[in-house]
Amino acid sequence: EPEVTQTPSHQVTQMGQEVILRCVPISNHLYFYWYRQILGQKVEFLVSFYNNEISEKSEIFDDQFSVERPDGSNFTLKIRSTKLEDSAMYFCASTTGTGVTETQYFGPGTRLLVL
Amino acid sequence: KQEVTQIPAALSVPEGENLVLNCSFTDSAIYNLQWFRQDPGKGLTSLLLIQSSQREQTSGRLNASLDKSSGRSTLYIAASQPGDSATYLCASLSGGYNKLIFGAGTRLAVHP
Repeated sequence: EPEVTQTPSHQVTQMGQEVILRCVPISNHLYFYWYRQILGQKVEFLVSFYNNEISEKSEIFDDQFSVERPDGSNFTLKIRSTKLEDSAMYFCASTTGTGVTETQYFGPGTRLLVL
Repeated sequence: KQEVTQIPAALSVPEGENLVLNCSFTDSAIYNLQWFRQDPGKGLTSLLLIQSSQREQTSGRLNASLDKSSGRSTLYIAASQPGDSATYLCASLSGGYNKLIFGAGTRLAVHP
């Protein structure tokens, strides 16, 4: 069964460093998402992406964050200058469309630790 | 702004019990309500999706109901098994087609 994959599974970085989290969505999906979950807190929406542009973003998704689909398979989340509070599990998700019947399929996540 | 709440936060039951997990949401203008399972350190697995026009959905031992007017959804798990131990999250698709708003989850432990 097709699945969303994410790399790396774990990343440790120093505060102020740039990190790129990678995702390979399911191949025929058109809509892509990033969510994050700070330890012990709710899963929070960050951004949605369709047709090579951002569809919607949350207040969390400030100028330090960017997303890109550099080729036909990868979808990346870049954090330019990481902060301690960026430590979280980051989930990528994808779906074929945005109708009311569409389920978002989630990847296993990347655990980011900022020291 | 949509707020999703889940109670209880944690639940421990003996194997074989039937149980109900609760989810409430503040804005009834939802497109759908989804239930996910999250195993420790893992991603989210979709369990059931109920469209706003539907009242319930079933998959195996799982049954989810939706009452938009009262802002509630329940997940019923029949004949619970130790393998059901996980965190169960509900999420509403509302405000825009793009984003899911999640509850904090119910952490379920089923002991033999």
